[in-house]
Amino acid sequence: GAGVSQSPSNKVTEKGKDVELRCDPISGHTALYWYRQSLGQGLEFLIYFQGNSAPDKSGLPSDRFSAERTGGSVSTLTIQRTQQEDSAVYLCASSLGARGVFSYNSPLHFGNGTRLTVT
Amino acid sequence: GESVGLHLPTLSVQEGDNSIINCAYSNSASDYFIWYKQESGKGPQFIIDIRSNMDKRQGQRVTVLLNKTVKHLSLQIAATQPGDSAVYFCAEKGGGADGLTFGKGTHLIIQP
Repeated sequence: GAGVSQSPSNKVTEKGKDVELRCDPISGHTALYWYRQSLGQGLEFLIYFQGNSAPDKSGLPSDRFSAERTGGSVSTLTIQRTQQEDSAVYLCASSLGARGVFSYNSPLHFGNGTRLTVT
Repeated sequence: GESVGLHLPTLSVQEGDNSIINCAYSNSASDYFIWYKQESGKGPQFIIDIRSNMDKRQGQRVTVLLNKTVKHLSLQIAATQPGDSAVYFCAEKGGGADGLTFGKGTHLIIQP
């Protein structure tokens, strides 16, 4: 597709359940990021993938959060035993270059996010 | 500007007026800055960027100004239109291979 695609767009789940969020980055983009956006807040970095290198997981808030990226393309963010404080919009972004390498007019491209509500 | 807590700063302007959205950044080593626009229910959309070796860059109806002395970034939108209503985020990149750090955003409201 032309842009970053995320699914589902909305997810309502009960506290304690596991959820999987999917991201299809722009074709050819080697860098993939997951961010979390709580209501009225900025973007909180979660995890970064670059090619086949080990991901930077430094932003994951707890060990209930994990992510993988298969074949250097599609990524899945998994939240186990969801809590109400996990409710947020989860945004995926991709870019051509490695982290810290941005060409003019070609920085991160974001998907429309998955709105997660934990009841 | 940047917000504290759950309430975003809000800027209300009349349609047709110019808008100026401000952002203070924290890292004096930051070498690249971006403005994003986020409409309700959508992901952030790139508007304009600037490197630290410049102090001004212009796009279509938008201008970004960078003042490294006081670590201040601003976005100017000319002749504001209803479609400009959104939350605007600034982002800075630290030196080297650092990732982007995002501000909390400013909500721009266009009055008819």
